[in-house]
Parts: sequence; C-alpha cells; structure tokens
Amino acid sequence: AQTVTQSQPEMSVQEAETVTLSCTYDTSESDYYLFWYKQPPSRQMILVIRQEAYKQQNATENRFSVNFQKAAKSFSLKISDSQLGDAAMYFCAYRGIQGAQKLVFGQGTRLTINP
Amino acid sequence: GAGVSQSPSNKVTEKGKDVELRCDPISGHTALYWYRQRLGQGLEFLIYFQGNSAPDKSGLPSDRFSAERTGESVSTLTIQRTQQEDSAVYLCASKFGPYNEQFFGPGTRLTVL
Repeated sequence: AQTVTQSQPEMSVQEAETVTLSCTYDTSESDYYLFWYKQPPSRQMILVIRQEAYKQQNATENRFSVNFQKAAKSFSLKISDSQLGDAAMYFCAYRGIQGAQKLVFGQGTRLTINP
Repeated sequence: GAGVSQSPSNKVTEKGKDVELRCDPISGHTALYWYRQRLGQGLEFLIYFQGNSAPDKSGLPSDRFSAERTGESVSTLTIQRTQQEDSAVYLCASKFGPYNEQFFGPGTRLTVL
C-alpha cells in the first residue's frame, strides 16, 4: 500500500519570504501522480500543484514550485514571496493510475504567515 | 451548480443515532469519492463510485458505514449507530474521467455526542 509522510506538523514564515514544505512517499508503482492541496479554515480542498511521475521537469504554478526526486521518493513544495493568504493546512497526496485512483494523503503541515 | 455541494454543512447527533450525509457532484462527473478527515489528520478514502460499476468499498471502516449513488447523480453516505469516533469532517469529491482531477466539496462536519 502507498503511504505519504509529512514530517513537519507546523511551519511559519515571514511575509514575502520563501518556505519549503517536505513530503516523502512510498510506492512500488512506477507511474503515478503527486499533488499538493491547500485547506483553509473553510475546509475546501484547493489543488495547488500537480506532478506526473514520468515527467522529470518540476512543476511550477506562479509562486508555487515543487522539487520532485523520484529515486528518493521525495516531493517538496516551495512557496516564494509568501502572502498572508497562503496561511492554511497543506497536504501532500499520491494517486496511482489504476483502479479507483483514490488519493492517499499525508498528515498535513499547518503553515503560518507572519506579517 | 458550479461546484460539488454537500449537506448538511454541520451535523450534531447523539451516540447510537443514524445519520445521512449528502453529496451533489458536478453535473456530468462520472466518478464520486467519499473521504473522512479526523481532527488534525489527512483525508482517508472511504468509497468510490464510477458510473454504473460496482463501487469500491475498500475504505469503509465498518459495516455501520454504507453509501449509495444512483447513476451519475447524488450520493448519500449513511452511518448507522454512530459512535464518538465517527466524529470527523466527511468530504465528497467528483471527477469527469480517469485522467482528470478530483474536485472537492466543502465537507460535512459530524459531531457525535
């Protein structure tokens, strides 16, 4: 079974600075997808960024980018120029390509932005 | 509607009572998922529906949990004889096809007293 681990329960960063959230995963599959989701207090899960395992190039979405290390099974999220609106829980998630394609989530990292 | 909707937003019930949670997926989305999120935890998969195929119930934690979906429409998650450990946020997600992303609803917060 696949597992996802986020070792940082909480992180904080000064507004406008850069922060990196860590995620490791375990799988025996060779093809899969990895995601970072943001969950503000409203509970709504918001997709931040997606990475296909077969792509070597790291995904980027505006101020958000990932460092995907397939051999190390590591998938970190970098947030540049942090903004107050970035404060939320962040979840790393794995999805296989067979069957139900359910999402497997890590435990989450609570990100605080200090003004 | 434009997004996935869930009702009720919050539900408080007494231990031993049955509850029904509802999910309205995005129109045209063939796949529907239910997840559970305990306080301070990540989401756990419960059940998956794809069109008229048999659902994948592998994540249901006990036989007190069941879910139904008719075709590609509304789904209901039923918890019988609720226990305090059932207290959690229950999130629903839908997607259009196998290569598309899941869109989440706002969840139902269930509190069992």
